[in-house]
Amino acid sequence: GAGVSQSPSNKVTEKGKDVELRCDPISGHTALYWYRQSLGQGLEFLIYFQGNSAPDKSGLPSDRFSAERTGGSVSTLTIQRTQQEDSAVYLCASSSSGKPSTDTQYFGPGTRLTVL
Amino acid sequence: GDSVTQMEGPVTLSEEAFLTINCTYTATGYPSLFWYVQYPGEGLQLLLKATKADDKGSNKGFEATYRKETTSFHLEKGSVQVSDSAVYFCALLNAGNMLTFGGGTRLMVKP
Repeated sequence: GAGVSQSPSNKVTEKGKDVELRCDPISGHTALYWYRQSLGQGLEFLIYFQGNSAPDKSGLPSDRFSAERTGGSVSTLTIQRTQQEDSAVYLCASSSSGKPSTDTQYFGPGTRLTVL
Repeated sequence: GDSVTQMEGPVTLSEEAFLTINCTYTATGYPSLFWYVQYPGEGLQLLLKATKADDKGSNKGFEATYRKETTSFHLEKGSVQVSDSAVYFCALLNAGNMLTFGGGTRLMVKP
């Protein structure tokens, strides 16, 4: 079956612009996660959704970052007024969430964001 | 908080050599442990996992055993191939639902 998909695969933007990154999870998966992979920081957790609600936003680095999920499916990560330090690969993952502490998270291919 | 430490790379091996990538963790409670692999130009793929102490995860010739007494989850393979060249990430999943990753270890296998 189809895996996690993300779009766009690459995004180049100018400093100060807003960007939206999209994630389409595996069908039927109720949990959705956003992570960021950057050279300096490795892989960092950003936000977790269970259904349409986000019980854990602890990883969002600033109030310029926000995310939403509608219909328990597609999620959008929005970065406002982008800065050069936002350049990274943004990864989305989903899991069936039957047992949260053992669930396997399946990752999408990522969106490479470059802020000039 | 939770943390994962894995050996720094790159690890360079000849084909058919034995591989060990060390991973240790710090966590409260009873986390699940994972190894993910990232091939060049691709996303993260689950390689194997173990959900409780003494469990052994295995896949594609790779193995790792969840050792609670040493808080370790070392990755091993008896005979590596050029196609195993990739970056390997050790990770833990605790009650908070988020994966905590190690820094990644790049493996380079030469023919």
